[in-house]
Amino acid sequence: DAGVTQSPTHLIKTRGQQVTLRCSPKSGHDTVSWYQQALGQGPQFIFQYYEEEERQRGNFPDRFSGHQFPNYSSELNVNALLLGDSALYLCASSLVAGGMGETQYFGPGTRLLVL
Amino acid sequence: GEDVEQSLFLSVREGDSSVINCTYTDSSSTYLYWYKQEPGAGLQLLTYIFSNMDMKQDQRLTVLLNKKDKHLSLRIADTQTGDSAIYFCAESDRGTDKLIFGTGTRLQVFP
Repeated sequence: DAGVTQSPTHLIKTRGQQVTLRCSPKSGHDTVSWYQQALGQGPQFIFQYYEEEERQRGNFPDRFSGHQFPNYSSELNVNALLLGDSALYLCASSLVAGGMGETQYFGPGTRLLVL
Repeated sequence: GEDVEQSLFLSVREGDSSVINCTYTDSSSTYLYWYKQEPGAGLQLLTYIFSNMDMKQDQRLTVLLNKKDKHLSLRIADTQTGDSAIYFCAESDRGTDKLIFGTGTRLQVFP
């Protein structure tokens, strides 16, 4: 049973550039959530996708956008990168976002460094 | 507002029990979770407890929930060097799947 996968594992960008991160959910899951984990901090919720729509959003600017495809995989896009966007980006998947704390399973993350 | 707090560091001897504590603020949280993160890795779900439970045991792990004090703890029995990692407590936001994490507790196990 394939778990949550993310690509790439590492990425280096410069300020002002744009980046796309990818996530494939655990088999049988239909909901994808994205989190940003800065060094030494706990993960912070960015947004969640269900049925190809953004279902909920955290306190992140519009530079952060996403997409979910019919096969439930998802992309996170960040435009106009800032140094402060350097972090580990984690994808989590769950089954049927029923609003009752469905268990989320995390991928290994993509480590983004902005220079 | 929503907030989850944890102590930053815990050091224990191999074979002893570890207790990691967490306090949360959202009394309407449905589930509370414990995740483990090893260096350079993602989060591994260890266990979770439903808010109407007081205790849950899963092999070496025991979770205790005190809803009155909004206090959650994770006890690891017979702690091993492989348990060295950062442990995150998380609550689910009311009515949604959004997880709110603490800053993590770094557990160091020495021989």
